[in-house]
Amino acid sequence: DGGITQSPKYLFRKEGQNVTLSCEQNLNHDAMYWYRQDPGQGLRLIYYSQIVNDFQKGDIAEGYSVSREKKESFPLTVTSAQKNPTAFYLCASSIGDRVLYNEQFFGPGTRLTVL
Amino acid sequence: RKEVEQDPGPFNVPEGATVAFNCTYSNSASQSFFWYRQDCRKEPKLLMSVYSSGNEDGRFTAQLNRASQYISLLIRDSKLSDSATYLCVVKQAGTALIFGKGTTLSVSS
Repeated sequence: DGGITQSPKYLFRKEGQNVTLSCEQNLNHDAMYWYRQDPGQGLRLIYYSQIVNDFQKGDIAEGYSVSREKKESFPLTVTSAQKNPTAFYLCASSIGDRVLYNEQFFGPGTRLTVL
Repeated sequence: RKEVEQDPGPFNVPEGATVAFNCTYSNSASQSFFWYRQDCRKEPKLLMSVYSSGNEDGRFTAQLNRASQYISLLIRDSKLSDSATYLCVVKQAGTALIFGKGTTLSVSS
């Protein structure tokens, strides 16, 4: 089945530790995205990548880092510099932002709790 | 001013009711528009795209008013399974999607 996988579903970390969230897609999509969602809030864009080996900061990139070494994979690292890392993290992919009506497909998300 | 604004609700309606959600966007350069649905503690999924002429998909009707920078979603004959958060989404050319905070709908029997 084609889709996006994120692992783990739940993640607990101690304050001050870096943590990497996994995102893999087999939809052959060029573009991938990371969003953060806090309770009662909308989705806020952290980073996005339109093509392999290239990525851009979104609205809230501070304290996060990404890599895009393979088309299928777009891991997100939450660093100790992120002040409030506890949130629901969603990864998405699409055929690309040059297409006006490009549906974004989301993974099931990772709930990160920093203790 | 937020780029995409929605009434957060919650909207509490009985089964069979008709309910309408509204959304406004601030950037007149926005070119494409969507409604996504998000169930509790799940990922968002595309409900429908919104085209200039308006479009319908079963019990769901979406309208776009570019002059007023306003998007709407109408749900007729509400079902229990329609309970969810509905996210208004806009896009400018070459940019990522911009999400509203969502409107929560609760349908009761």
